[in-house]
Amino acid sequence: NAGVTQTPKFQVLKTGQSMTLQCAQDMNHEYMSWYRQDPGMGLRLIHYSVGAGITDQGEVPNGYNVSRSTTEDFPLRLLSAAPSQTSVYFCASSYSRLRDRGNSPLHFGNGTRLTVT
Amino acid sequence: GQQVMQIPQYQHVQEGEDFTTYCNSSTTLSNIQWYKQRPGGHPVFLIQLVKSGEVKKQKRLTFQFGEAKKNSSLHITATQTTDVGTYFCAGPGSSNTGKLIFGQGTTLQVKP
Repeated sequence: NAGVTQTPKFQVLKTGQSMTLQCAQDMNHEYMSWYRQDPGMGLRLIHYSVGAGITDQGEVPNGYNVSRSTTEDFPLRLLSAAPSQTSVYFCASSYSRLRDRGNSPLHFGNGTRLTVT
Repeated sequence: GQQVMQIPQYQHVQEGEDFTTYCNSSTTLSNIQWYKQRPGGHPVFLIQLVKSGEVKKQKRLTFQFGEAKKNSSLHITATQTTDVGTYFCAGPGSSNTGKLIFGQGTTLQVKP
């Protein structure tokens, strides 16, 4: 099993450009989520999905879109990149955070380091 | 909205000293999870606490869940250089949506 795979590992964008961060998991996890990590801010939830076809906003959703057409994939789209979106992005998945009442631990990908100039 | 606060933000210790990080939630938690992130790495699940007053140990690490289920702590006895990293606590979101909210993390530096 590859676990949670994120691509790319590094990306540099110019202000206004758009791009998609890819996330795929091969563990048949129902729950998937995106976090951004900034110094001193911890891990902040951007968007999450409790199953295919269902997505919801987290703590910091502005400027990002997600979709969940399959159980395996959960891409994160930056519509018009801004310097404030410079961060490390982590995708994380778990078995099911609804049916087990939030007890499933998260499995994280290796992260994408994004710089917006 | 729900907040999960962690203190301290940074801690420098001499190898062999003890270390404690504290986690406080603005709401009662059904459970709390702890993660460790090594420098340059990704967070890795350590443990989950569910019961009021629960105490769990993993070798030199002791995890506690408060009686009111609003706070938790992680204590490391006799730190080693391998303990270096950032430790996060995380709790379920206030609504029953399954989302997980993380604290800001405590970054531990250990001087050999």
